[in-house]
Amino acid sequence: GNSVTQMEGPVTLSEEAFLTINCTYTATGYPSLFWYVQYPGEGLQLLLKATKADDKGSNKGFEATYRKETTSFHLEKGSVQVSDSAVYFCALTRGGGFKTIFGAGTRLFVKA
Amino acid sequence: DTAVSQTPKYLVTQMGNDKSIKCEQNLGHDTMYWYKQDSKKFLKIMFSYNNKELIINETVPNRFSPKSPDKAHLNLHINSLELGDSAVYFCASSSDETLPYEQYFGPGTRLTVT
Repeated sequence: GNSVTQMEGPVTLSEEAFLTINCTYTATGYPSLFWYVQYPGEGLQLLLKATKADDKGSNKGFEATYRKETTSFHLEKGSVQVSDSAVYFCALTRGGGFKTIFGAGTRLFVKA
Repeated sequence: DTAVSQTPKYLVTQMGNDKSIKCEQNLGHDTMYWYKQDSKKFLKIMFSYNNKELIINETVPNRFSPKSPDKAHLNLHINSLELGDSAVYFCASSSDETLPYEQYFGPGTRLTVT
């Protein structure tokens, strides 16, 4: 079946450090891939997305590239800020799009 | 304008009670969802409706009953509440017309059962 595996947290970084959160997936065919972010006390919101192999999604300084050969969609940011502290979810959707599979979430803490 | 709204934001109640959570979206989407998020932030889909028709019904106790009076609303009714029902419940919606079907989430309802 379809599944998403992301690195366990929490991840603690100092401000301006480089961030990588690993995400790998298992799915037949060509799923769409997403990163969602959940700030404290809020619902999830879409951070970035990619719909086909080699697509790069980007937003707010975050990037992720759809790698079909390694079935991965790792999230990166060159210089994190305290305001990036949140829980990050990797996810995939395929087929009719009615069911999205979410990873377990990775909590990020950024220290000033 | 709030895209996906839920009421109430907080709900504290006693075991055995019956409660409802309401959800509305003004995005014109055809598909709506209910998710449960536990204390470790794990997100589990419960139900999904497409054009008022139930299309996803995960392994959820039948004490939980979703109702969709129209495409813009999806309510969740919970009977005989138990301690283990304490969680944050999120409503979400998506369009089924355009890829890649990203979801728009409401702010969540924190349910505490005592």
